[in-house]
Amino acid sequence: AQTVTQSQPEMSVQEAETVTLSCTYDTSESDYYLFWYKQPPSRQMILVIRQEAYKQQNATENRFSVNFQKAAKSFSLKISDSQLGDAAMYFCAYRRGGDKIIFGKGTRLHILP
Amino acid sequence: ETGVTQSPTHLIKTRGQQVTLRCSSQSGHNTVSWYQQALGQGPQFIFQYYREEENGRGNFPPRFSGLQFPNYSSELNVNALELDDSALYLCASSFMGRTNEKLFFGSGTQLSVL
Repeated sequence: AQTVTQSQPEMSVQEAETVTLSCTYDTSESDYYLFWYKQPPSRQMILVIRQEAYKQQNATENRFSVNFQKAAKSFSLKISDSQLGDAAMYFCAYRRGGDKIIFGKGTRLHILP
Repeated sequence: ETGVTQSPTHLIKTRGQQVTLRCSSQSGHNTVSWYQQALGQGPQFIFQYYREEENGRGNFPPRFSGLQFPNYSSELNVNALELDDSALYLCASSFMGRTNEKLFFGSGTQLSVL
């Protein structure tokens, strides 16, 4: 069975600094998708970034980038120039095709002014 | 805003009661899935509906059931509520068949079972 592990329950970063959230996963599949979702106090899951496993190039979306290490089954999220609006729960997630999404337990990110 | 709306936003029930949660999918989407998010946990997959039929189910008992309507809106029904059913219930819609299928989540229904 596939699993997603986030080992950092909480993290803090100074505004304008860079922070990296860690995620590891386990799967026997070779074709799948990985995601980082943000869940602010409004509770809505917002897609931050998405990575297709067959692509070697790391995905980037403005200040957000990932370090995807397929062999190590590692998928970390880097947030550059952290802003107060980045404060939220961040979930790493795995999905194979049109199947269910498997989420990690989340990392709560605090931004210090 | 994703265009996925859920109602009600909050709900309080007592143990043993039944509850119905509703989700209106984003326009043009044909698939809806439901997730349960307990406090301090990540969301867990309950089931998915595609073209009005259940198309995948997580590790939830039969008292969790659902419906998808021709307009692709959906309901989640939970019978014989238990205290552990207290959670945030999230609905997500998508268009299955697109190569770049993306899920869009609603803001959830917070269910408290007393």
